[in-house]
Amino acid sequence: DIQMTQSPSSLSASVGDRVTITCRASQSISSYLNWYQQKPGKAPKLLIYAASSLQSGVPSRFSGSGSGTDFTLTISSLQPEDFATYYCQQSYSTPVFTFGPGTKVDIK
Amino acid sequence: EVQLVESGGGLVQPGGSLRLSCAASGFTFSDHYMDWVRQAPGKGLEWVGRTRNKANSYTTEYAASVKGRFTISRDDSKNSLYLQMNSLKTEDTAVYYCARVSWELATYYFDYWGQGTLVTVSS
Repeated sequence: DIQMTQSPSSLSASVGDRVTITCRASQSISSYLNWYQQKPGKAPKLLIYAASSLQSGVPSRFSGSGSGTDFTLTISSLQPEDFATYYCQQSYSTPVFTFGPGTKVDIK
Repeated sequence: EVQLVESGGGLVQPGGSLRLSCAASGFTFSDHYMDWVRQAPGKGLEWVGRTRNKANSYTTEYAASVKGRFTISRDDSKNSLYLQMNSLKTEDTAVYYCARVSWELATYYFDYWGQGTLVTVSS
């Protein structure tokens, strides 16, 4: 199975900060990479699919980039509602669409 | 509006069985693959398994950790997805989510999730 790693595992940031989260795959996954946001006690929510496509209804301050093994989720200006845990997921290797371990973003 | 609503969670003893359901509405259920994903308390997301659609013969796939113990099925006439869990272990304790699988730009992704149902395996 393809292994996914994320860095950092957690970060503290302030409202208005630019935040970058990195996801790395154990082998090339082309652009088959998705990003999800999860708030405590809630289901995950799709933010980005195919590495850089913004899901409908997701604010444009979220963006994704990368291909191959290295990917980035960027929040251009952190808002209060963005404090959450973020997961990447590879959808290259079926059937197991592996998730990364998550990055928790909290308030500085 | 797309909705996925899980039910059937609860407390069960090790070695016991439980059946989860996921009721879908607001989309053509029969067109989509459907997955189960779980999350142990305080942990990350773990893919559990998948049922493909009729066009792909309703084939199923499972994570190694549940293969042989869990069975996924669906009833397109009832817009429902099921997860039969047998021989439960304490490590199966988790919130279980059903998720709709969609396909675009040659990639799969989970675009809708249920609210989750908690399964606790304990004596």
